Amino acid sequence: GESVGLHLPTLSVQEGDNSIINCAYSNSASDYFIWYKQESGKGPQFIIDIRSNMDKRQGQRVTVLLNKTVKHLSLQIAATQPGDSAVYFCAENAGGGNKLTFGTGTQLKVEL
Amino acid sequence: DGGITQSPKYLFRKEGQNVTLSCEQNLNHDAMYWYRQDPGQGLRLIYYSQIVNDFQKGDIAEGYSVSREKKESFPLTVTSAQKNPTAFYLCASSTRRSGSLYEQYFGPGTRLTVT
Repeated sequence: GESVGLHLPTLSVQEGDNSIINCAYSNSASDYFIWYKQESGKGPQFIIDIRSNMDKRQGQRVTVLLNKTVKHLSLQIAATQPGDSAVYFCAENAGGGNKLTFGTGTQLKVEL
Repeated sequence: DGGITQSPKYLFRKEGQNVTLSCEQNLNHDAMYWYRQDPGQGLRLIYYSQIVNDFQKGDIAEGYSVSREKKESFPLTVTSAQKNPTAFYLCASSTRRSGSLYEQYFGPGTRLTVT
């Protein structure tokens, strides 16, 4: 079946640097993508989303880039802070409806 | 405050016992979901419900059951038929953001340990 996957299971960055978390998806019918942040022992929190008719969307300190040609999604976090340490998941919605398919997650570690 | 509550946060059961996990939302969302999360893995969909008195199986429904008698509540029962029930269980609800797009909001989760 279709799946969402992540390139790196763990990403370590220095405080203040920019972080880039990548996600590959395989369902060409996916038209909506979401990034979630999950802190240890808690439920995922919505960060930012993007529709397939867009290439880029910016939020507060975060930017999501979508490359439909290679089915690649990335989350950029500017000036990474210790509070950004968490697992980040990408999720896709294929063809409408309300079911999301989640990737396995990337652990972001911020070093002081 | 609007949100999703799951109780309890930690739950311990003996093997062979059924256990029911609670999920309540006051966001007035139509759709609700149950996911299972194992260490180092992503979320896998167990069951979802788009409307009261209706629900559908997700990817890993075997050994689980649900009910949706009220819009606000979507309890999950982990039965003795579930071969590996120890996991972190997450409940979510969703609303339409624009067009056919949905954003899911998650509860804090229940960590179930079966020994």
